[in-house]
Amino acid sequence: NAGVTQTPKFRVLKTGQSMTLLCAQDMNHEYMYWYRQDPGMGLRLIHYSVGEGTTAKGEVPDGYNVSRLKKQNFLLGLESAAPSQTSVYFCASSPNQGANGYTFGSGTRLTVV
Amino acid sequence: EDKVVQSPLSLVVHEGDTVTLNCSYEVTNFRSLLWYKQEKKAPTFLFMLTSSGIEKKSGRLSSILDKKELFSILNITATQTGDSAIYLCAAPYGGATNKLIFGTGTLLAVQP
Repeated sequence: NAGVTQTPKFRVLKTGQSMTLLCAQDMNHEYMYWYRQDPGMGLRLIHYSVGEGTTAKGEVPDGYNVSRLKKQNFLLGLESAAPSQTSVYFCASSPNQGANGYTFGSGTRLTVV
Repeated sequence: EDKVVQSPLSLVVHEGDTVTLNCSYEVTNFRSLLWYKQEKKAPTFLFMLTSSGIEKKSGRLSSILDKKELFSILNITATQTGDSAIYLCAAPYGGATNKLIFGTGTLLAVQP
């Protein structure tokens, strides 16, 4: 049982390049989330999904897009990477409201130069 | 605006010490407060608190919630070097979506 798997684990991008981060969960969870973690700022919600085919904006959505075409996968796209998007990105999933928190992926460390 | 505030931001103790980490919150339609431990990678779940005054305990870790004063504490007794981590508290917000708002975390370093 893999839980939540994120790929890639590390990536270096040049300013202006695009990329997609993949999150896959095998727990049949309805809800999925993308957070970014920056020093001194905690985890901040980028986008989230409450079910297959649905997405919504979180606190810091600018510069990112997401898709949830299949229940088990939640993709985070950076259209034109900027140095301000240098961060550690965490995907998480949850079965439903009120569940005991999230199951997190192991994170993707992204550096934009 | 919903918010979660943790203190202190960082803490250095010696093995065997007892530490208390603080988390205050202002969340509309508050439901619960969660504590996570984050070592090198993903946060791992510690506790979920929903009722005031009822202590949750797991080994040397314990936590309690005060819904009147809007705060929670996480206690760690007889600290060990393996307790070194960032401790995060979070609360669900924004209705039936299970979104979490996180505090900035407390970085705990336990020295031998």
